[in-house]
Amino acid sequence: GAVVSQHPSRVICKSGTSVKIECRSLDFQATTMFWYRQFPKQSLMLMATSNEGSKATYEQGVEKDKFLINHASLTLSTLTVTSAHPEDSSFYICSARGSWTGGLNTEAFFGQGTRLTVV
Amino acid sequence: AQTVTQSQPEMSVQEAETVTLSCTYDTSESDYYLFWYKQPPSRQMILVIRQEAYKQQNATENRFSVNFQKAAKSFSLKISDSQLGDAAMYFCAYRRMAGTASKLTFGTGTRLQVTL
Repeated sequence: GAVVSQHPSRVICKSGTSVKIECRSLDFQATTMFWYRQFPKQSLMLMATSNEGSKATYEQGVEKDKFLINHASLTLSTLTVTSAHPEDSSFYICSARGSWTGGLNTEAFFGQGTRLTVV
Repeated sequence: AQTVTQSQPEMSVQEAETVTLSCTYDTSESDYYLFWYKQPPSRQMILVIRQEAYKQQNATENRFSVNFQKAAKSFSLKISDSQLGDAAMYFCAYRRMAGTASKLTFGTGTRLQVTL
């Protein structure tokens, strides 16, 4: 199956700094990428959807200036948490979907997730 | 808006036995996909099984099968011959078929314990 690699798997940063999380599709072109946040023992909460070369569409309540999403190529999307604070500590997961013509449009393929701890 | 409901926060099954996880959803769409994802302690999301709404036949994948009742908007997952490795969080998810950027809507999850 298609592989999505997310990096780093764990990161600890100081309050007030920014941290970048990368999501790469390794063997397919990801026309659409999704970023989720997951609190302990809860479901995945969609933060934003991005299409390659376009601005991300953020879900209601998600601060676009705080969670910057870039999808500059068909294999890479990044999530930057700016001016991180302890309340931003969470598990962040990306997923990617390919094109209809590529046959990878039906399901989303998930990265391994990133555990962010802000101290 | 579409909603997905998993009414069983936790379930337990003995090894080698069968367990069924429930899922209901609400949508006004006629064409859509339904999924079951597994999230083990590693937290990697793994696709277990997929069902296209236009297909009447229930999907099966080895020990995993679904009971898809479109009229009732029900999509349960049956795990046969349960194994210790099946212990995980299971999420039911919905996605409308139209639109390349259509998003997944997840249920709240069911934590499955497998006992010896």
